[in-house]
This record gives sequence, C-alpha cells and structure tokens, in this order.
Amino acid sequence: AQRVTQPEKLLSVFKGAPVELKCNYSYSGSPELFWYVQYSRQRLQLLLRHISRESIKGFTADLNKGETSFHLKKPFAQEEDSAMYYCALMVGSQGNLIFGKGTKLSVKP
Amino acid sequence: NAGVTQTPKFRVLKTGQSMTLLCAQDMNHEYMYWYRQDPGMGLRLIHYSVGEGTTAKGEVPDGYNVSRLKKQNFLLGLESAAPSQTSVYFCASSYSSSGLAGVISSYNEQFFGPGTRLTVL
Repeated sequence: AQRVTQPEKLLSVFKGAPVELKCNYSYSGSPELFWYVQYSRQRLQLLLRHISRESIKGFTADLNKGETSFHLKKPFAQEEDSAMYYCALMVGSQGNLIFGKGTKLSVKP
Repeated sequence: NAGVTQTPKFRVLKTGQSMTLLCAQDMNHEYMYWYRQDPGMGLRLIHYSVGEGTTAKGEVPDGYNVSRLKKQNFLLGLESAAPSQTSVYFCASSYSSSGLAGVISSYNEQFFGPGTRLTVL
C-alpha cells in the first residue's frame, strides 16, 4: 500500500534548538519525496524535494531507502519556521501526490 | 502573474444543493489537481487532469465531478452536497511530470491556490 506517515501532530521546540520532523513512507516503486510547508495565512508551497538534494531555509532532508524515511532537519530552529509541514510521496507518472497528515512545528522564543 | 486562484473563498450550502468551485492558473501548466483537506487527515486527491479535455479520479472522487474545458481552468462540481463534504478544498497545478526541460527546480512542483472553505449544513 502507498502511504506517508508523519507520526507527530505537533512538535514544539525552542529557538536555536535542532528540529527533526519525521516522515516514513510505504511504496513499492522508486520513491520521489517532497516536503511542503504552509505558513500561517499563506498557501501551501514546496519547501524541498529529495531529487534536488538542496537546502532551503536551512532545512535538509535525506532519503533513506533502507529505513523508508525522509526526515526533515534543521540544526537551529527560528521562530519564522513555525508552520504546518507536510511530507508527500509522488505516485505514478502523472505527478499525483500522497500527503502525510502533517506536523505542526511551533518554535518558541 | 496571479498564479493559482480559487473562487469562491467561502461558501455555505444546504444539504442537497449544488455548486461549482473554479480554479484558474496563468502559468500554462498542463496538470491540475483538486484536493480536500480535513482536520487530522492531510490533503487527499479528489480528481486531477493531465491536460485540456482530460480528467481522472483520485483517492476520494465520490460525490464530485470535474471538467477541464480550457487549459487554464479546472472546475470541481458538487451535484448534491452532503455534510461529509464540509472541508477546505485546494486546487493545484504543475508542469507535466517532466517539468521544464533542463530546469530541475520545475520538476513536479505543485503550485497551490489559497483554498475554498465549504460548509454543508
């Protein structure tokens, strides 16, 4: 079955602390994974994708096929990182995404 | 560019009423999608379209119909609204799955609209 699991509904950290948002997936093919973010009163937007191996706003995510994970990490959280984060898995050849249920990150001052 | 726009922003319906949600994009994207977002459920794909005149079912298509008569527009219809269809509806669009040739940043990125909050009483 194709599935994306984000085990934490809410993650609360203090400013400057490291943060890791967990994402696990289930997919029989070669996975294409993404992190999307929704800041307060803004629309959902792409944060990063594993194929690009990029760092955006200090966030990185590494695909671990052995553990079927794609955790999002940032060494020093900032208050402006507070948002809803969704992990997504592309299935099929038409760009369809399966989203996890999301993790709300709250960075306290 | 306006990006992806959705009309209306809010709507309240009575059970059994019908309505159409409009999604428009000005980025010349081939693919368009309709999602619903329910508390604690993330986003779930309702229907999608890979080009003008084509549509396909997603994960939760029952109770909805769609049309893509023009490339820039993707309509989502509720023929007989039910309380279970109370949700926030998001439209998204993207280039084809290969993105723009040679532009890896365009690969499969979906651009989202601001959402439509629908309540069915």
